[in-house]
Amino acid sequence: AQTVTQSQPEMSVQEAETVTLSCTYDTSESDYYLFWYKQPPSRQMILVIRQEAYKQQNATENRFSVNFQKAAKSFSLKISDSQLGDAAMYFCAYSPLEEDGANSKLTFGKGITLSVRP
Amino acid sequence: GAVVSQHPSRVICKSGTSVKIECRSLDFQATTMFWYRQFPKQSLMLMATSNEGSKATYEQGVEKDKFLINHASLTLSTLTVTSAHPEDSSFYICSAKDRGSFSNQPQHFGDGTRLSIL
Repeated sequence: AQTVTQSQPEMSVQEAETVTLSCTYDTSESDYYLFWYKQPPSRQMILVIRQEAYKQQNATENRFSVNFQKAAKSFSLKISDSQLGDAAMYFCAYSPLEEDGANSKLTFGKGITLSVRP
Repeated sequence: GAVVSQHPSRVICKSGTSVKIECRSLDFQATTMFWYRQFPKQSLMLMATSNEGSKATYEQGVEKDKFLINHASLTLSTLTVTSAHPEDSSFYICSAKDRGSFSNQPQHFGDGTRLSIL
């Protein structure tokens, strides 16, 4: 079974600074997908970024980028120029490759609470 | 973009009551929907996978008779918490993917239901 580990329960960053959130996972599969979701106090789940395991290039979305190390099974999220609105709980998630993609389940890490200091 | 509507957003009821939560895909068809439970400051735990026109698949440790799931159409899945007790109080979230979507496409989440049993 796949597992996702986020070992840091909380982190804090100064506004405008950069912060990196760690995530490791365990799988025996070679093809899979990784996601970072953000859950602000409203508790709505918001997709931040995703990475296909077969791609060597790290995904980027504006101020958000990942450092994907497949051999090490590591998938960290870097937030640049942190903003107050980035304060939220962040979840790393794993999804296997399924023949029917609509059935692919997500396995979440425990999450990390990010606070942003003004 | 794809929208998942979850209703109600908040329920407070007495112990012993049965509570129904609806999850609707508003602009896409979903053969599969997922139901999660989340305790404060914790991760999303998958409870069950809801399949249109067939029985739901429950995760280990989830009581089928306690959490009844019905997925009668391609746009609606319901979760009924039967004879709810205070320990069932939690945040319940549903998600869905578009029929025919690929594994790398994200799940679309509802806004969640906060259930409080007195």
